[in-house]
Amino acid sequence: GDSVTQMEGPVTLSEEAFLTINCTYTATGYPSLFWYVQYPGEGLQLLLKATKADDKGSNKGFEATYRKETTSFHLEKGSVQVSDSAVYFCALSDNTGTYKYIFGTGTRLKVLA
Amino acid sequence: EAGVTQFPSHSVIEKGQTVTLRCDPISGHDNLYWYRRVMGKEIKFLLHFVKESKQDESGMPNNRFLAERTGGTYSTLKVQPAELEDSGVYFCASSQASGTYEQYFGPGTRLTVT
Repeated sequence: GDSVTQMEGPVTLSEEAFLTINCTYTATGYPSLFWYVQYPGEGLQLLLKATKADDKGSNKGFEATYRKETTSFHLEKGSVQVSDSAVYFCALSDNTGTYKYIFGTGTRLKVLA
Repeated sequence: EAGVTQFPSHSVIEKGQTVTLRCDPISGHDNLYWYRRVMGKEIKFLLHFVKESKQDESGMPNNRFLAERTGGTYSTLKVQPAELEDSGVYFCASSQASGTYEQYFGPGTRLTVT
């Protein structure tokens, strides 16, 4: 079945460092891909999405490109801030039937001042 | 516009007791989903409603879990009797009718079974 593999955390970075969180997927069809973020004490918020190959999602300085050839959707940010400390989840929706999400395990990011 | 709300935010119960979780989706959203995250693992799909109808229950772990969505508005998820392995965070999400893939999530209910 479909699956999402996400890099293990936690990831600890200094402020203004470059961030990459790897995400790869397995899917039989043409999924939509998402990054959700969960800040401490809050629910999941959509960070960015891409619905077809070569699409680039971007928001708040984060970006990710839907790479069909490598089945990847890596999250990047050029300069992280302390306020980016959160748990990041990669997910896919199979775009058929229920459109349910399949999530990765989540990656905790801690940014130090 | 109000977001997805869930109640309670945290519940602590003993093994064998019953707990009912509630989710109020965004007004007008026909699709309602339940997910669960156990012990820091991945968030897993439980079930999907379209209005009041269950479309997919494939993720429900066993018959101790019962979900309802009477009238196609709010939904409840009842666990009876609760077991230790049911502990985790239960998320509800909603989305509009067909044509969109983005789901809006509630803050979750943290369930602790002791």
